[in-house]
Amino acid sequence: NAGVTQTPKFRVLKTGQSMTLLCAQDMNHEYMYWYRQDPGMGLRLIHYSVGEGTTAKGEVPDGYNVSRLKKQNFLLGLESAAPSQTSVYFCASSTSSYNEQFFGPGTRLTVL
Amino acid sequence: RKEVEQDPGPFNVPEGATVAFNCTYSNSASQSFFWYRQDCRKEPKLLMSVYSSGNEDGRFTAQLNRASQYISLLIRDSKLSDSATYLCVVNRRTGGGNKLTFGTGTQLKVEL
Repeated sequence: NAGVTQTPKFRVLKTGQSMTLLCAQDMNHEYMYWYRQDPGMGLRLIHYSVGEGTTAKGEVPDGYNVSRLKKQNFLLGLESAAPSQTSVYFCASSTSSYNEQFFGPGTRLTVL
Repeated sequence: RKEVEQDPGPFNVPEGATVAFNCTYSNSASQSFFWYRQDCRKEPKLLMSVYSSGNEDGRFTAQLNRASQYISLLIRDSKLSDSATYLCVVNRRTGGGNKLTFGTGTQLKVEL
């Protein structure tokens, strides 16, 4: 099993550009999450999904959109990137909202 | 006040030493607790769950004090490979489901 994978691993964008980050999991987990991690801030939840076709806002959702068309995939979109979105983005999945979360390797995004 | 607080460290200890980290949480409704480990530029991974009665996994011991609202992690006989950042994670039930809150982490450096 590959677990949780993320694409791409690194990306540099210019302000105003758009991009989509892809997360895939092969553990048949219902719950999936997108976090960002910034120095001194800890992991902050952007959006999450409790099942195929569902999405919900987390702590810091502004400037991001998500979609969960298939159970195994969770996409995070940035419509118009801003320098404040420079961060490391982690995707995670779990069987339920109170069980262990399994994380992907992360995507390092720089917005110039 | 932050919902989960940790001393950022770094804790620099010699190999073989015993080291302890504390984490405090502000919401008394918090239900479950975890320690995650994060290596430099890697994803977080579950180290251990924290049970009310305390639990041990090899050289690692986790304890919960609900009255004082803190959890602790004790590492005995530190190894160089224990060098990492240790994240305290607290889960509590909200109207929208369960909310997992990550601390900013405590950095441990084990030296020869």
